[in-house]
Amino acid sequence: DVKVTQSSRYLVKRTGEKVFLECVQDMDHENMFWYRQDPGLGLRLIYFSYDVKMKEKGDIPEGYSVSREKKERFSLILESASTNQTSMYLCASSLTGYSVALHFGNGTRLTVT
Amino acid sequence: GDSVTQMEGPVTLSEEAFLTINCTYTATGYPSLFWYVQYPGEGLQLLLKATKADDKGSNKGFEATYRKETTSFHLEKGSVQVSDSAVYFCALSEGNDMRFGAGTRLTVKP
Repeated sequence: DVKVTQSSRYLVKRTGEKVFLECVQDMDHENMFWYRQDPGLGLRLIYFSYDVKMKEKGDIPEGYSVSREKKERFSLILESASTNQTSMYLCASSLTGYSVALHFGNGTRLTVT
Repeated sequence: GDSVTQMEGPVTLSEEAFLTINCTYTATGYPSLFWYVQYPGEGLQLLLKATKADDKGSNKGFEATYRKETTSFHLEKGSVQVSDSAVYFCALSEGNDMRFGAGTRLTVKP
């Protein structure tokens, strides 16, 4: 089974802090994604990556950046955390191809105070 | 752009009741359609999918049929169980990214 591991289950950070969310997958998937999940809004795509050192903006990239130095690892960075970034963050990975499903980690619940 | 609209929740049913969660989509091409389920405290996991018109996806007693004429992919189950309580997401993909609906929370009571 594909395993997508997010390094933290819960995080509490202060406004203005730089925050790193880490994600690792163990199945050699080319694609990796970061979503945020908010009640009533579903999942919104922040950034995705098709390959090492490649990144593409999703629907809501403002205030975020990403890093993919190794194929198995995809990091989400909040340059200066704000309270409106309090959310559940979900990492996912997939193979490249048509009609492929995403494999998700269990999520990181981030609270910014 | 592509988008998914699913019925608002929450939905509360008694055990053994029939379930329908509506999902409609907007897409420029010919997307693949998915249902994902999120159990409490977990990430999303694939429940079923369909890749072309009139395809039926099925898994764990759940079914959904890809209806191009009505741009719909409604999720159904004939007899729900308490263990089906979760949030259900409809999604579509036309390439490597995936678009999700807002999610529908289902609670099944004994």
